Parts: sequence; C-alpha cells; structure tokens
Amino acid sequence: DSGVTQTPKHLITATGQRVTLRCSPRSGDLSVYWYQQSLDQGLQFLIQYYNGEERAKGNILERFSAQQFPDLHSELNLSSLELGDSALYFCASSVGPEEKLFFGSGTQLSVL
Amino acid sequence: GESVGLHLPTLSVQEGDNSIINCAYSNSASDYFIWYKQESGKGPQFIIDIRSNMDKRQGQRVTVLLNKTVKHLSLQIAATQPGDSAVYFCAENREDSSYKLIFGSGTRLLVRP
Repeated sequence: DSGVTQTPKHLITATGQRVTLRCSPRSGDLSVYWYQQSLDQGLQFLIQYYNGEERAKGNILERFSAQQFPDLHSELNLSSLELGDSALYFCASSVGPEEKLFFGSGTQLSVL
Repeated sequence: GESVGLHLPTLSVQEGDNSIINCAYSNSASDYFIWYKQESGKGPQFIIDIRSNMDKRQGQRVTVLLNKTVKHLSLQIAATQPGDSAVYFCAENREDSSYKLIFGSGTRLLVRP
C-alpha cells in the first residue's frame, strides 16, 4: 500500500457527462500529480500541484481541470467526456518536487 | 503527447537468471531518474532512483546504471523471481522550467518457471 488513496476505483459514465476523481496524498506529502494511462499512450503526465498551487502542466485537455485543497487532497474534473477519455487515471504524491512519486491504485474510467 | 507512444517490448527470462531492462531517455538536461514496476491492475510502484551525479546505485536485488554520455538507463534484477513479472517503466525528471516526471513506454518482463 503506497499510502495514496484514490476514489472511486471504477467509474462508468456516458459521453458528454462530467466526473470528479478524488485523491488523498500520503501523509506529509505536499505535491500531488495526475497521470492518465491508456493502452496506446502509456503514462501521460497531466498536471502537478504543490501545497495548493499549480506547479506544472502536461498535455491536459481544456475539458479537464484539477485543484488541490487546503487539506492537500486533490480532485481531477473531467467534463464533456468522450469515448477516448476512457483510461486509468492515477494520482501520485511526493514530499516535494523532484522527489520520488508514490502512486495510488488508480481510477478506471469507462465512457460509453 | 509527452509520453512515448506505446509499443511494449517484452523480455522473457528464466526464473533465477538475471534480467536487464534498458531505457533511452531524451533530455540531456534531465537530472533525476526513477524505475517503476507496474503489476496488472495496480499503480506503478517505486523500485529505485538515481541522480545524474551518480553512475550506479544498488538496492535489494536491483541495480540501476546511468550512462549520461549516450542517455541510457538500465535496470538489472538479480535472480529474477516469478513475482518480478510486470511492466517496468523508466521515468526522467525533465527540467524544462518546471519539474515533470515523464515516463518511457515500458518493458514487459515475463519470468518463466
């Protein structure tokens, strides 16, 4: 167990809908990262937060947004969902930037 | 995307043999590298890391080698066990104005009994 908690584990929804994925980092970790893993793209970096502030951005779509709250948990919001958004979404945390990441078990999103 | 497109190579080894998994990274300015193991249905699990001021680092049954000249990273697993079967990813800290850990495409390791 990495200590990073993600909910829900599975999510099935329809095209056009909006979902929220939740992540609680390891105790003491200030940085939270979101990654998307699909079969044809591997692990893609989406976004990073550090102590509540956005720190780095990857190829995150405009339909996606994220935030990190004062208690350090993070949410990834995916809207206007498309079939191609079906993937595993991982959250990871670290003590700070440039430290090793610890990953949660992921949320499997299926858009039908 | 920032992750290399996925065409997953596979390494098949006999139980008890040593395994060597290779990775080429892209950014000569990257200064921190990590190996992760991902089992089916689970998140990536940290194995070992190395900073660019080192050429080699050893852990329990694992060794990471870094060759900055040719931008190459390898993971050596000694006495490979069935529980080592998984997909292995290398990741580089790509320092382009902000910290981003970018993953390679992965290698599947199959351990034959």
